[in-house]
Amino acid sequence: AQTIHQWPVAEIKAVGSPLSLGCTIKGKSSPNLYWYWQATGGTLQQLFYSITVGQVESVVQLNLSASRPKDDQFILSTEKLLLSHSGFYLCAWSRGANTGQLYFGEGSKLTVL
Amino acid sequence: GDSVTQKEGLVTLTEGLPVMLNCTYQTIYSNAFLFWYVHYLNESPRLLLKSSTDNKRTEHQGFHATLHKSSSSFHLQKSSAQLSDSALYYCALTNYGNEKITFGAGTKLTIKP
Repeated sequence: AQTIHQWPVAEIKAVGSPLSLGCTIKGKSSPNLYWYWQATGGTLQQLFYSITVGQVESVVQLNLSASRPKDDQFILSTEKLLLSHSGFYLCAWSRGANTGQLYFGEGSKLTVL
Repeated sequence: GDSVTQKEGLVTLTEGLPVMLNCTYQTIYSNAFLFWYVHYLNESPRLLLKSSTDNKRTEHQGFHATLHKSSSSFHLQKSSAQLSDSALYYCALTNYGNEKITFGAGTKLTIKP
């Protein structure tokens, strides 16, 4: 069975500080990977997706970056956090775009002060 | 670009009454895939229903929806609400071969005894 793990579960960070959120998928080779963000009271907004190792496509520019250093790992980061980065970050995987079915992780809650 | 509209942000119903959550969408592509995801408290969002076939009813766990391309709608229905149906429901849209999945704002459904 496939599992998806996100870390950390929650972070409280200062404006201007760096951030790194991680996501690991086990039990599925070459998954499509996604980062979603949900502002408090907002909708799920797709940030990035990756079809293969080393390739990441940006969907929305939020002064964030993403990388896929390994087949099973997806990293979301920034060097300088903004207040507007606060929210809930969800990593997801799918078998391919045509299926459209996403399997979400449990999320990371980020509070920027 | 694509968009999904869920006009009800909050729906409160009494147990046993029928449920209908609205979803309409806009896309320039004819090969739309529509989804309903359910997000229970303290769990990850997961797929409830999906469809890409016009005028065909799809059912799962007592919920059903029919994609109507003529009206660009994919409303979620259930004949009798249960307390356990209380959750956040997202309608989502993608197109064949497209990695971008667009989510609606979500509808928070609360079922009361």
